Amino acid sequence: GEDVEQSLFLSVREGDSSVINCTYTDSSSTYLYWYKQEPGAGLQLLTYIFSNMDMKQDQRLTVLLNKKDKHLSLRIADTQTGDSAIYFCAERGYGGSQGNLIFGKGTKLSVKP
Amino acid sequence: GAGVSQSPSNKVTEKGKDVELRCDPISGHTALYWYRQSLGQGLEFLIYFQGNSAPDKSGLPSDRFSAERTGGSVSTLTIQRTQQEDSAVYLCASSLGGPGRNTEAFFGQGTRLTVV
Repeated sequence: GEDVEQSLFLSVREGDSSVINCTYTDSSSTYLYWYKQEPGAGLQLLTYIFSNMDMKQDQRLTVLLNKKDKHLSLRIADTQTGDSAIYFCAERGYGGSQGNLIFGKGTKLSVKP
Repeated sequence: GAGVSQSPSNKVTEKGKDVELRCDPISGHTALYWYRQSLGQGLEFLIYFQGNSAPDKSGLPSDRFSAERTGGSVSTLTIQRTQQEDSAVYLCASSLGGPGRNTEAFFGQGTRLTVV
């Protein structure tokens, strides 16, 4: 079945860049997502990338996709304390998974002032 | 319009009792997902409904767990003979869905289940 792996923790200083990495196994994935969960809040979509792209930039966020290695990363430039949250990588399959949305365990980002 | 609504928001139950958790998806969304998030843990997939297709139940942890979706809308997740390890936040999400489609999944606020 599908599997999505992430490192569990990342700590950075305010103003530095953060890079959160994710690997997935379903080669039929069509879209890959980054969701953000702030303390005590629900999950919200942060950004996504289609599988035929290798990069997407949205303000401070840069998503890189290496489809050959099934590796996805999220770079946050000029990280702020308000970016402290859990970041979940997710993939949407097409083939056997019929469009299911599978999440990684989440990376907890801590931003130190 | 209204987002994904889950009820109850909190549920405390005694070990061995059955519980039902409800999810009202966004109107028109054909895909509905249930996940479980244990304290300090990530999202564990439980079950996925897409339109009239047979649900993907591959994430249900045991036969004590079941879910149904009536009329393609409201879904109920039932846990029979609850155990303490069932304590978690149960999250429901819905999306326009469909294989290969990019549609954002919208999450409810979850039901926090505590088994004592």
